[in-house]
Amino acid sequence: DTEVTQTPKHLVMGMTNKKSLKCEQHMGHRAMYWYKQKAKKPPELMFVYSYEKLSINESVPSRFSPECPNSSLLNLHLHALQPEDSALYLCASSQGQQGAAGNTIYFGEGSWLTVV
Amino acid sequence: AQSVAQPEDQVNVAEGNPLTVKCTYSVSGNPYLFWYVQYPNRGLQFLLKYITGDNLVKGSYGFEAEFNKSQTSFHLKKPSALVSDSALYFCAVRGGNTGGFKTIFGAGTRLFVKA
Repeated sequence: DTEVTQTPKHLVMGMTNKKSLKCEQHMGHRAMYWYKQKAKKPPELMFVYSYEKLSINESVPSRFSPECPNSSLLNLHLHALQPEDSALYLCASSQGQQGAAGNTIYFGEGSWLTVV
Repeated sequence: AQSVAQPEDQVNVAEGNPLTVKCTYSVSGNPYLFWYVQYPNRGLQFLLKYITGDNLVKGSYGFEAEFNKSQTSFHLKKPSALVSDSALYFCAVRGGNTGGFKTIFGAGTRLFVKA
């Protein structure tokens, strides 16, 4: 069962709000990812956690703050976002060995974020 | 620099006809190649991948892809298209000096299958 669950599916927030996106997987994967996707564009990598430690931060603005409480959960905390941050945010996971480029990344259905 | 090219923004095909979605890549070292499909308002679904071995890879929903090292291509194919195959398709590559975690995605190809 390859399932990555994301909540909420839709989120509308003001520019002064604080909100969080949540992601959960029970495949025993040790690498988890956040991607941002604009309409009809490919996903853009934001963060990678490997064994609950932040492995990659693709120079993402600090208004996005990731957190990995345990091997199954991944959060993305949002604060003081801008309208241009409106997008589909995708969580993903894979088996976590560093350098195992052949491992498949499995994506969740995404959280649609609208910043007003 | 590592890159993936999907030369066609859109592919149109009649239901029942064979379909091909093209992908070429540039990567140092051994490439690990993937195809994903995205239906409207959904996440990306994994279709198939090439790691090593047989150049013809079979995947989900009757799709297959052929790895061609000399042409650095990994085209997605299906012998008989269905209307339900209409979606956005992404080719992706990992490997070389990106390490295990960075995936390079192509720009995507929108497939329209007409009944």
